[in-house]
Amino acid sequence: NAGVTQTPKFQVLKTGQSMTLQCAQDMNHNSMYWYRQDPGMGLRLIYYSASEGTTDKGEVPNGYNVSRLNKREFSLRLESAAPSQTSVYFCASSELRLSSNEQFFGPGTRLTVL
Amino acid sequence: QQQVKQSPQSLIVQKGGISIINCAYENTAFDYFPWYQQFPGKGPALLIAIRPDVSEKKEGRFTISFNKSAKQFSLHIMDSQPGDSATYFCAAIWTASKLTFGTGTRLQVTL
Repeated sequence: NAGVTQTPKFQVLKTGQSMTLQCAQDMNHNSMYWYRQDPGMGLRLIYYSASEGTTDKGEVPNGYNVSRLNKREFSLRLESAAPSQTSVYFCASSELRLSSNEQFFGPGTRLTVL
Repeated sequence: QQQVKQSPQSLIVQKGGISIINCAYENTAFDYFPWYQQFPGKGPALLIAIRPDVSEKKEGRFTISFNKSAKQFSLHIMDSQPGDSATYFCAAIWTASKLTFGTGTRLQVTL
């Protein structure tokens, strides 16, 4: 099992460009998440999908859109990238119905916006 | 509003020493407190977790101490090793909801 996979691993964009970060999980989890990690800020939730067909905003959703394509895949789109979106992005999945909600993280995408 | 406050931001400990990371929470509805460990270039992974009905949980060299009345919990790493050098995040959750993470502690264990 690959767990949670993310593509690409690295990306450099110019301000105003768009891109989609891809995430897939093979653990049959119902819930998936997108986080961004910035120095001194910890992990901040951008969007999440509690189950296939649903998506909800997290703590920092502005400038992002998401699509839960099916149970396995959850993508994050930046329509018009800004330097403030320079960050490391992590996708995670879990069984939300379990009280522990242990989340399994992907390896991350390091995004730089010039 | 930050619901889980973590300190220190960074920590340097000598090999064999004890590393201590502290967290405090505000929401009394939280009922599960995990710690995640993140190595450079990797995603976080669950290390150890505790529920508020116990005051301490130990797994190998890692121990969580929990003080429900003070709304505080801490991670102790005994006999710290260079391989423990990583970023540690405390977190909190209530009844299968979203995780709320602390801001992280970067631990460096020196020889």
